[in-house]
Amino acid sequence: ETGVTQSPTHLIKTRGQQVTLRCSSQSGHNTVSWYQQALGQGPQFIFQYYREEENGRGNFPPRFSGLQFPNYSSELNVNALELDDSALYLCASSGPTGNSKYFGPGTRLTVT
Amino acid sequence: GENVEQHPSTLSVQEGDSAVIKCTYSDSASNYFPWYKQELGKRPQLIIDIRSNVGEKKDQRIAVTLNKTAKHFSLHITETQPEDSAVYFCAASGINTGGFKTIFGAGTRLFVKA
Repeated sequence: ETGVTQSPTHLIKTRGQQVTLRCSSQSGHNTVSWYQQALGQGPQFIFQYYREEENGRGNFPPRFSGLQFPNYSSELNVNALELDDSALYLCASSGPTGNSKYFGPGTRLTVT
Repeated sequence: GENVEQHPSTLSVQEGDSAVIKCTYSDSASNYFPWYKQELGKRPQLIIDIRSNVGEKKDQRIAVTLNKTAKHFSLHITETQPEDSAVYFCAASGINTGGFKTIFGAGTRLFVKA
């Protein structure tokens, strides 16, 4: 298993609420990216952070936002939750090229 | 927009046979092509990757080929074993005017029958 960890493991929220998911990157990795994986589908790229700056973003609305901290850990924040936000949220860490990503175990978010 | 198409969606092979999964990408800025294996309830695991300046890469029973002109890349698994059964995802990554981006295919569910 990789050194990437995520918390919490599971989360249940109500539509309209806000959620924060957390990720600790593998030692030596300064790049973190976040993905949404709906059941039976491939991961969808949300955004990527390199040295605390967002350096890439997928087709997700602004209510999906993030942070990266000086120790390279990261947060994903989702505001105004919608039912379709129910999914597995994965983070992945990598070196500065953004390649060779190592995924965390994911957070399963259910929005009711 | 950018897209990665992956085929087939399901693949069933007999143990010992070869399996081939194909992907096509649309973004010319893509320069890194990883493949991930995801077992049920587990995280995706990087199994092999290739960069755009290389046409082929092999790691034991797994190989990847890349045709930049046609924007095709493929995963080849030889001598398949039951433990190869999983969902496999291709992805294409690169930097364009919008910044870094990575796009995954929809996945191929591989069944290896003993």
